[in-house]
Amino acid sequence: GIQVEQSPPDLILQEGANSTLRCNFSDSVNNLQWFHQNPWGQLINLFYIPSGTKQNGRLSATTVATERYSLLYISSSQTTDSGVYFCAVGQAGTALIFGKGTTLSVSS
Amino acid sequence: DSGVTQTPKHLITATGQRVTLRCSPRSGDLSVYWYQQSLDQGLQFLIQYYNGEERAKGNILERFSAQQFPDLHSELNLSSLELGDSALYFCASSAGYNTEAFFGQGTRLTVV
Repeated sequence: GIQVEQSPPDLILQEGANSTLRCNFSDSVNNLQWFHQNPWGQLINLFYIPSGTKQNGRLSATTVATERYSLLYISSSQTTDSGVYFCAVGQAGTALIFGKGTTLSVSS
Repeated sequence: DSGVTQTPKHLITATGQRVTLRCSPRSGDLSVYWYQQSLDQGLQFLIQYYNGEERAKGNILERFSAQQFPDLHSELNLSSLELGDSALYFCASSAGYNTEAFFGQGTRLTVV
């Protein structure tokens, strides 16, 4: 099956710093989503982005489907950005397969 | 609020017991997915239903079963529970195939 690799596994930032999270996948995909799992365990949708670029406030994402990777950018990080960021991909008609996540800790 | 409702939020039960987790998808969504999140295995896909029919199976144990009812809500049944089944169980829904999926708040199952 398709493999999803996220890097880095852990990231520690000071408030106000910028960061880039990467997701590599091993085959072509029809679906790619980024999620934020907060400390209470909730999985929050960030982006549905099988290709192209999207922005939502301080967050933006880019997927280059032909090169099989996606990037999540977080600018001016805040303590509330802490948590685990997951990339998940799906192929035609399949369920989402998740990477192992990037654990982000933002300190004030 | 994602619009996906899971009950109960927490469940504590003993080894060998059987439990049922319930999921109500977002209004209009036909696909329902179940996932298990444990510390050592990450987020694992269990099973998918589409409009009442089983669509795909992932790493679901034989002791586990699920169904989707005509009103599109879904139930995940876990039987002969073991300590290792302790995990966060998520339900997700989407309108169709490869459309954006939304997750419920999860049911945290503790087997003692």
